[in-house]
Order: sequence, then C-alpha cells, then structure tokens
Amino acid sequence: EAQLVESGGGLVQPGGSLRLSCAASGFTFSTYWMHWVRQAPGKGLVWVSRINSDGSGTTYADSVKGRFTISRDNAKNTLYLQMNSLRAEDTAVYYCARAGLAMGWAADIWGQGTMVTVSS
Amino acid sequence: EIVLTQSPGTLSLSPGERATLSCRASQSVTSSYLAWCQQKPGQAPRLLIYGASNRATGIPDRFSGGGSGTDFTLTISRLEPEDFAVYYCQHYGSTFGQGTKLEIK
Repeated sequence: EAQLVESGGGLVQPGGSLRLSCAASGFTFSTYWMHWVRQAPGKGLVWVSRINSDGSGTTYADSVKGRFTISRDNAKNTLYLQMNSLRAEDTAVYYCARAGLAMGWAADIWGQGTMVTVSS
Repeated sequence: EIVLTQSPGTLSLSPGERATLSCRASQSVTSSYLAWCQQKPGQAPRLLIYGASNRATGIPDRFSGGGSGTDFTLTISRLEPEDFAVYYCQHYGSTFGQGTKLEIK
C-alpha cells in the first residue's frame, strides 16, 4: 500500500528555520513527482512546491520563493522541505503528496500532514 | 497562472439528494489535468476524480466528474451521510480551488 508519512513540524519563532521530511513507502518513489501543500487553520489547500522525479526540476509558489527549498533523496525514498525565514503566515498543516502521469499529475496519495506553527 | 474558482462556497443538501459542484478555470485547461478531491475534518485530502471524469481507485460510482475547457463539475448522484465534506478541484496537482463545503441541510 502506498503511504506517505510527514515529520519535522513544530513550533518555531518568526525568522527561524525548519526542515520537514516525508517518508514514502509501498511504491516506486523515484518515478513520481512530489508536492508540498499546506493548509492554514480553517482555510483551504494551498500548493507550496513541486519537484520532478529525479530532483532536477523544482517550482515554488510566489509566497515561499526564495525562502523554501524542496529536495528529495530517491535512495532514501524521502522528500524534504527546508523552510527558512519563517513568518506567522506560514503557520499551517503541511502535506506531502505524490503525483504521477497515470493520474494526470493529480495529487493522488497524501500524507497525514505535519503542523508548523510560527509564533514568538 | 491559472486560477480555479469553485461555486457555491457552501451547499446545503439532505442525504439522498443530488449535489452538483462547479469549478471554473480562468483560462482553458487540459481536461487530463483536472481533478477533484474530498477532505473531511481532521483528515488529509483524498483523490476522487482525475482527468476530469475518471474515478480514483475505490471511489463509489455515485461520484462523477465532467466538463471541459474552463467549466468542470463534480456530481454526487445520491448523497450519503459520509459525503458531507469539503471538495476541492485541482489542476496539475499545483493549483487548487478555494473549496466547496457540502453540509447537511
């Protein structure tokens, strides 16, 4: 069974950094694009970043460009999100999700999410 | 940049009724890349429909999707109690609509 498990969330002060991880299992991780999507409390889903299957291509939402870095280690079946210069508005549950050609690049498998709270 | 606008924001219906949710794109999109997902409180989203009209694995046939170009719909033919949730359309996995909350009337 395909599964994604996020970790690394927590409480951080404004201006601080955090690195999220997403461990994949039950599928061939290296053949899928991966996304990070976040959801602020009581709000909708907002796409954050995407990385292609071999890690050579990345894209970011304007709101995080220059502050967040997405990466992956296909040997470890793990996706990462390095978050720097965190702001209060980055407070959200962060989900990782996979996307593949067979599903029209839709985010078809999601992790359970990890909460990031940016507050002093 | 493609913007997805969903309507209505909230839909109040009773179990057994038919629900029709709309997703409008700011420019024409490839149907292959339009999907719908469902989210219940405290849970991760779940993919329902991909390629505008294809049900994901395990999704009941009361869920159907359609549309093309800029206008897409998600239809739930006969609402079950477990269908009351928030629904999002998504494009290419990287653009989401603002969501439609389906609530019990």
